[in-house]
Amino acid sequence: GQSLEQPSEVTAVEGAIVQINCTYQTSGFYGLSWYQQHDGGAPTFLSYNALDGLEETGRFSSFLSRSDSYGYLLLQELQMKDSASYFCAVHSGGGADGLTFGKGTHLIIQP
Amino acid sequence: EADIYQTPRYLVIGTGKKITLECSQTMGHDKMYWYQQDPGMELHLIHYSYGVNSTEKGDLSSESTVSRIRTEHFPLTLESARPSHTSQYLCASSELGGKGNTIYFGEGSWLTVV
Repeated sequence: GQSLEQPSEVTAVEGAIVQINCTYQTSGFYGLSWYQQHDGGAPTFLSYNALDGLEETGRFSSFLSRSDSYGYLLLQELQMKDSASYFCAVHSGGGADGLTFGKGTHLIIQP
Repeated sequence: EADIYQTPRYLVIGTGKKITLECSQTMGHDKMYWYQQDPGMELHLIHYSYGVNSTEKGDLSSESTVSRIRTEHFPLTLESARPSHTSQYLCASSELGGKGNTIYFGEGSWLTVV
């Protein structure tokens, strides 16, 4: 089966940098995605990594190491609006539809 | 910009009632999904579809049913609601193939069964 581990909660200061880690175990692997969800809102797509390395999109970057079954989401120049839950999700050949979400990391931004 | 719509957004119903949650997308996506999410918890896939007349059960067992008669429409029905069905239901869609890695979610339907 598939399993993902990510911290349940991370606290950071406005303007700082924060890294949210995700480790996974899966039978078959195609890529790792990250989604952002504000309280009461819909998850929105942030990034997708299929190959090792860093993908940068503005203030957000995502990293993948397939050999270590590990990835992370890096948020720079944190803003109060970045307070949200962040989910990693594995695309694999297993599962009902080959996509399994982690339990999410609640990011708290302090002024 | 995602164009996927869910109704109702909020609903309180009594035990034993039948309820249909509506979901429509205007992006022409072939794949559609229903996820269940309790507050502060992970998303669980309960149903998905690859296209018209295709419906599959997800990883999480659910007493709900779905249909896909039109590409843009993927309603979810609970024949007899119970308090254990109280949750948020998220509809989503994606393309088939390479760009199918991006899933677009609706705003969700919050269901409370009393």
